[in-house]
Amino acid sequence: AQKVTQAQTEISVVEKEDVTLDCVYETRDTTYYLFWYKQPPSGELVFLIRRNSFDEQNEISGRYSWNFQKSTSSFNFTITASQVVDSAVYFCALRGANFGNEKLTFGTGTRLTIIP
Amino acid sequence: DSGVTQTPKHLITATGQRVTLRCSPRSGDLSVYWYQQSLDQGLQFLIQYYNGEERAKGNILERFSAQQFPDLHSELNLSSLELGDSALYFCASSVGTSGGPTDTQYFGPGTRLTVL
Repeated sequence: AQKVTQAQTEISVVEKEDVTLDCVYETRDTTYYLFWYKQPPSGELVFLIRRNSFDEQNEISGRYSWNFQKSTSSFNFTITASQVVDSAVYFCALRGANFGNEKLTFGTGTRLTIIP
Repeated sequence: DSGVTQTPKHLITATGQRVTLRCSPRSGDLSVYWYQQSLDQGLQFLIQYYNGEERAKGNILERFSAQQFPDLHSELNLSSLELGDSALYFCASSVGTSGGPTDTQYFGPGTRLTVL
């Protein structure tokens, strides 16, 4: 069975601070995909990034960066110089690669509040 | 805008009633997924269709059913509604190539169902 754990339920930081959201996953699959989605107060789920299990390169996109470590089954997300618009609930998700195993298994989410 | 559309945006109904939620996937996407987001269960996978055929099933209640039509839009039918069915229902779509490196699920804005 697949499982995603986001131990941080809520985080509050002051604007311009850096913040890291933790994600730990469990799977028996050798090939899998990891995702981060953002859910702003308006409610929609916005795709941020996909990472394949065979690609452990970290990725940076503007103020966002992701650290994938297969050895510790973690896929952490860092926001640098946070802004009020970053306030949202962030979900980490895991998906298998095999036929019929394409559903996303989500963590419980981390509510991030950026204080102006 | 993800390109996935869902109607209606809000739905208020009474216990025992039946409702239909509609989803139109992104152009070119063959897979449609339904997810339920509730306060106590979080984001849970319900069911997946690929090119008109059921591909995977999650924790979907027997009172719920879905289908994908030849034009690839999908409908989720919820019957004998209970108070506990109140939730945000998301539809997502993807190209549907199992394991494909570009197979990311993009979510619609959701339908908020309130059962009174």
